[in-house]
Amino acid sequence: DIQLTQSPSFLSASVGDRVTITCRASQDIRNALAWFQQKPGKAPKLQISAASTLHSGVPSRFSGSGSGTDFTLTISSLQPEDFATYYCQQIHMYPLTFGGGTKVEIQ
Amino acid sequence: EVQLEQSGAEVRKPGESLRISCKGSGDMFASYWIAWVRQMPEKGLEWMGMIYPSDSDTRYSPAFQGQVTFSADKSTNTAYLQWSSLKASDTAVYYCARWAVGISLDFWGQGTLVTVSS
Repeated sequence: DIQLTQSPSFLSASVGDRVTITCRASQDIRNALAWFQQKPGKAPKLQISAASTLHSGVPSRFSGSGSGTDFTLTISSLQPEDFATYYCQQIHMYPLTFGGGTKVEIQ
Repeated sequence: EVQLEQSGAEVRKPGESLRISCKGSGDMFASYWIAWVRQMPEKGLEWMGMIYPSDSDTRYSPAFQGQVTFSADKSTNTAYLQWSSLKASDTAVYYCARWAVGISLDFWGQGTLVTVSS
């Protein structure tokens, strides 16, 4: 199975901060990576697909980059509604796998 | 608008069986896979596998193969996740989601909480 390692696991930040979350794959997955946002008690929401394509309705302050084994999710200016847990997922090979998550909390 | 409506919370005893459902809107079942994702209490997301309702083709994660069964009724746009003998460790929220090839899980149900306790 392809392992995804997210870092950090926990991030404390302030409104307006630029935030970067990384996701490292255990093998080359090309650009087959998605990012999800999950708020407490709610279903995850797709933010980015194919490593860098913003999903419909997602604010432009979110961006994704990377290919191969190293990927990043960046929030250019953190907003109050962005405090949540973020997960990466590889869709290159079955079984599809998720990273362990990064919880973004208010500083 | 694409919507996935899941069945309500369930409480069962260990050893009991259970089937939960995920009903899709419109014609989404005609050409999309439906995936199931587990989230244990205070834990991350786990991809269980998925089903193609048009022909009931399935893909199971090895971690869940033999532990659960996916099925679907394309006439009612409904996918199902079933257990024949629940364990306490099956306690979790289970999500269904639409799988769009090359994109990932683009629409999600609201989740079904399954509690297994004696």
